Amino acid sequence: KNEVEQSPQNLTAQEGEFITINCSYSVGISALHWLQQHPGGGIVSLFMLSSGKKKHGRLIATINIQEKHSSLHITASHPRDSAVYICAVRSTGGYGGSQGNLIFGKGTKLSVKP
Amino acid sequence: DSGVTQTPKHLITATGQRVTLRCSPRSGDLSVYWYQQSLDQGLQFLIQYYNGEERAKGNILERFSAQQFPDLHSELNLSSLELGDSALYFCASSGLAGYNEQFFGPGTRLTVL
Repeated sequence: KNEVEQSPQNLTAQEGEFITINCSYSVGISALHWLQQHPGGGIVSLFMLSSGKKKHGRLIATINIQEKHSSLHITASHPRDSAVYICAVRSTGGYGGSQGNLIFGKGTKLSVKP
Repeated sequence: DSGVTQTPKHLITATGQRVTLRCSPRSGDLSVYWYQQSLDQGLQFLIQYYNGEERAKGNILERFSAQQFPDLHSELNLSSLELGDSALYFCASSGLAGYNEQFFGPGTRLTVL
């Protein structure tokens, strides 16, 4: 079982729809990151959060530490949001070679149709 | 543009060869991380340097090594290359030892034939 699980793996939406991507993890963490990977391969950091909720434009990220769960929401989705969204956690344990390094989910591939 | 640069963008080489990937962090960032992204494994942490010193090691093969120079740029050396080493290699930088947002470079796509 992976330490970081994302769902769904693939998501197709119509422009304007509200989108939710989920991330569950099984290790103790100090922070959780949401990353966006464009079709060309480049990775952009969207959010880093350790509690509560953050908002940036049409993107909202929430985390529930007790439930070990985070969600990424996209409001009023647009074709330019089409990308792979990756959840990564910074563990507090020794996994990954050392405390504090990132463990990644497999990603959610989002396609938004016009 | 994250401010992190990586060269080369693409690299095609043969099995058994050795290559060097280069990363320049954002101005002022002391920490550099190397990641490998392959189709079957996804993103995996390889190694981290902080201000010239190795800070943490992840799933890095013995055939791979890295270093961070006094000007803070870093190089990842991959030797005795195998077909399975074909992947995207990213570096990222952050301001402190790791408890910060990381900024990713554009990646180097390595193809081993």
